[in-house]
Amino acid sequence: GENVEQHPSTLSVQEGDSAVIKCTYSDSASNYFPWYKQELGKRPQLIIDIRSNVGEKKDQRIAVTLNKTAKHFSLHITETQPEDSAVYFCAASFVAGTALIFGKGTTLSVSS
Amino acid sequence: GAVVSQHPSRVICKSGTSVKIECRSLDFQATTMFWYRQFPKQSLMLMATSNEGSKATYEQGVEKDKFLINHASLTLSTLTVTSAHPEDSSFYICSATATNTGELFFGEGSRLTVL
Repeated sequence: GENVEQHPSTLSVQEGDSAVIKCTYSDSASNYFPWYKQELGKRPQLIIDIRSNVGEKKDQRIAVTLNKTAKHFSLHITETQPEDSAVYFCAASFVAGTALIFGKGTTLSVSS
Repeated sequence: GAVVSQHPSRVICKSGTSVKIECRSLDFQATTMFWYRQFPKQSLMLMATSNEGSKATYEQGVEKDKFLINHASLTLSTLTVTSAHPEDSSFYICSATATNTGELFFGEGSRLTVL
């Protein structure tokens, strides 16, 4: 089955810096790659996603890149703010709406 | 937007008792729902896929007799933790796929504490 690796497990940046989180996946059949932000005790919130027919997607300060050949995808957050502090999870699935396999998560801390 | 509701949000029970958690899609039909378990400071681990009108599909290592899943309607799936033990204490989260759009929505999660 699918296996998703995520790095780093923790990331500390200064406000205004960029943050990059990387994930690799094992199943070449996966075609949908969402990123979730989870605050303590809350449900995961979808922040951005990308499908395998796209190499990059951007939404304001957040961007995701996908390299299907290498089977890795990355989350880029620019101009980080303290409210970006949370745990971020990458995930992969065959198609959108099917079972998601999550990475282990990255705890992002943005200090002001 | 579409809402998935879980109930209860928190439950404390004694060891050996059974606990039922409900997952409802409030404004859409969900042929498929998924149940995840999340231990503190860990990731979401897929437990099972729940299909309306058929038996759930469990992930490897998840005991189907301990975690009973029922998906009797297009808007409701239930997870029953039978004979709960302290090691079952966890955050249980469901997600539902909207049948008409394919979008996935998460419930608020249910925190189970077994004493």
